Amino acid sequence: AQRVTQPEKLLSVFKGAPVELKCNYSYSGSPELFWYVQYSRQRLQLLLRHISRESIKGFTADLNKGETSFHLKKPFAQEEDSAMYYCALSPARGAQKLVFGQGTRLTINP
Amino acid sequence: GAGVSQSPSNKVTEKGKDVELRCDPISGHTALYWYRQSLGQGLEFLIYFQGNSAPDKSGLPSDRFSAERTGGSVSTLTIQRTQQEDSAVYLCASSFNTGGGASYEQYFGPGTRLTVT
Repeated sequence: AQRVTQPEKLLSVFKGAPVELKCNYSYSGSPELFWYVQYSRQRLQLLLRHISRESIKGFTADLNKGETSFHLKKPFAQEEDSAMYYCALSPARGAQKLVFGQGTRLTINP
Repeated sequence: GAGVSQSPSNKVTEKGKDVELRCDPISGHTALYWYRQSLGQGLEFLIYFQGNSAPDKSGLPSDRFSAERTGGSVSTLTIQRTQQEDSAVYLCASSFNTGGGASYEQYFGPGTRLTVT
């Protein structure tokens, strides 16, 4: 069965500090991994996906198949990064449904 | 252009009543998804429509839940004989899947908050 685990429900860091949101998954095949973000009073939206290998708003995430992890990182947190972050897995290309983790609420303190 | 819209934004119903939740996807998007966000449960997949193919209903929690998509556009999620555990935010999303094998970005609606009293 596919499962996504985000061990931290809440994460609080100071502005300018590095931030890492953890995501681990269990799946026997080759999944696609995503990070979705929901800012206050806004819709859930895609932040980044592992196949793009890009940096969005200073965030990066590397898929580690050995550790089955897809941690989200940013070297210097900004106050506008405060939001709810969800890690998600798509079981296979072409199979579009997403399996989400429970989410991590990130708060950046001034 | 307009994003995914959902109605109503809030719905309060009594236990045992039926409810219908509506989703208008982005025009031209071929795929439509329903998810449920319960307190402390994260986002849970319910059902997925892709073009004219049979929907993937594997996430529906019980036979009280059903969904249809008319004309390849608007979708309605129906919950019959609602229970208190059905209280949640129901999210709809759509994407443009060309069938090339990649997983395409899903665009989410604002959600419908359902409260069963």
